[in-house]
Formats: sequence, C-alpha cells, structure tokens
Amino acid sequence: KAGVTQTPRYLIKTRGQQVTLSCSPISGHRSVSWYQQTPGQGLQFLFEYFSETQRNKGNFPGRFSGRQFSNSRSEMNVSTLELGDSALYLCASSLETGGTENIQYFGAGTRLSVL
Amino acid sequence: AQSVTQPDIHITVSEGASLELRCNYSYGATPYLFWYVQSPGQGLQLLLKYFSGDTLVQGIKGFEAEFKRSQSSFNLRKPSVHWSDAAEYFCAGGMFSGGYNKLIFGAGTRLAVHP
Repeated sequence: KAGVTQTPRYLIKTRGQQVTLSCSPISGHRSVSWYQQTPGQGLQFLFEYFSETQRNKGNFPGRFSGRQFSNSRSEMNVSTLELGDSALYLCASSLETGGTENIQYFGAGTRLSVL
Repeated sequence: AQSVTQPDIHITVSEGASLELRCNYSYGATPYLFWYVQSPGQGLQLLLKYFSGDTLVQGIKGFEAEFKRSQSSFNLRKPSVHWSDAAEYFCAGGMFSGGYNKLIFGAGTRLAVHP
C-alpha cells in the first residue's frame, strides 16, 4: 500500500506570492492533517480535514488555508508569502474508524523556501 | 495548556551503548503517546505508540518505551545503538475523542552516534 504522498518536494517562491501544496493520503484514510516544521518553532499543527470539512484548526493566520476533495486528497494554500513561511510542511493521514486510537502517518514533506 | 516536553535537545552516544530519550507530557487526562523519528530531509516515521494497557511498548528498529503515569513520562529506550539510529526523535501526544484529531509534539532530540 502506498504511503502518504506530498507534491512537490521542493518549492522556491518570493515574498507576496501564493503557493499550493498537495497531499495524497494512504488509500482508505479519510483524515488529513497538516503541520509546519521550522527550526525555531518546531512542529506545529495547522489544520485537519475529514470528509471534506475542516475539523480542527491550529493558531495560524488566515493566509493559511486548505481543502479536502471527495477522494480525500488535500491541498493547502498560503497566500501573500512571508519570509517566515519558509518551512517543511508535513501532511499526515489517519484511518478514521470512529474510535479514538488514531495513528497519523506522515509524508516526506514539502520544503518551501521564500526569498 | 497541553504540552509535550523533551528536555534534551542533543544527545551523543557511542555505537553499541544504550540510549534513553526523555519525554514528559502535560494534559488534562492521559493522552495517547507516540515516538516518531525523522532523518534529514525526510518526513516522520512512527517508532511506537501507547494507547492503553501494558506500559512497556515495543516498536520498530529495536526501540521500546515505558509509560509512567506517576511521572507523566514516556521515555524511549534502546539497549544498543547503531550508527544508523542517528536522527531526530520526536515525542508526541494526542487526544482523539469527539473528532479532535491533533498531535502536539515535543521540540525533538537530535541523536548523534559516535563510532
């Protein structure tokens, strides 16, 4: 079974631009979460989507948004990029069984550099 | 506020030596606990998890962790470290009831292995 796939692996953008990152979850997984990883702030939760609905949201400005499609694939978008948005963005998927024992499996991440 | 703390930022051990990485959590109730490992430029790989039951859990690559409720700890151990274990290790906590699906990560411990 294929793992979590994130595309692209690397991105270089300039300040003020916007960017879209893509995540394909493990087959059958309906929950997709996004995390930002930086040297200064570590791993921080951005948001989680389940059945095309944002179910949880972290403490990030509105420039960060996301969506989920009917096939559970997810995208996140960052508008008006700032230098501080340079980070590794990680996507994780989990099998939502209605129970509480969720395990999140991570993709390799997208490395975003803002110049 | 919920938090996960990894007191050691860097640890260096000799190959063949034993290893213990510390993790403490602060939650209103006992969270589910995880250890992930990250190699440079890669995503997070799940080493092991604790949901309930036996407080000593076994994981992949010869790792184990012990949950101690009285100390709010979930320390990761390995009896004999291999050079390939050099990586960054993250402890994470999660509570997934009511559709709340979010991991809180510690700051990570970077492990170096001397030959």
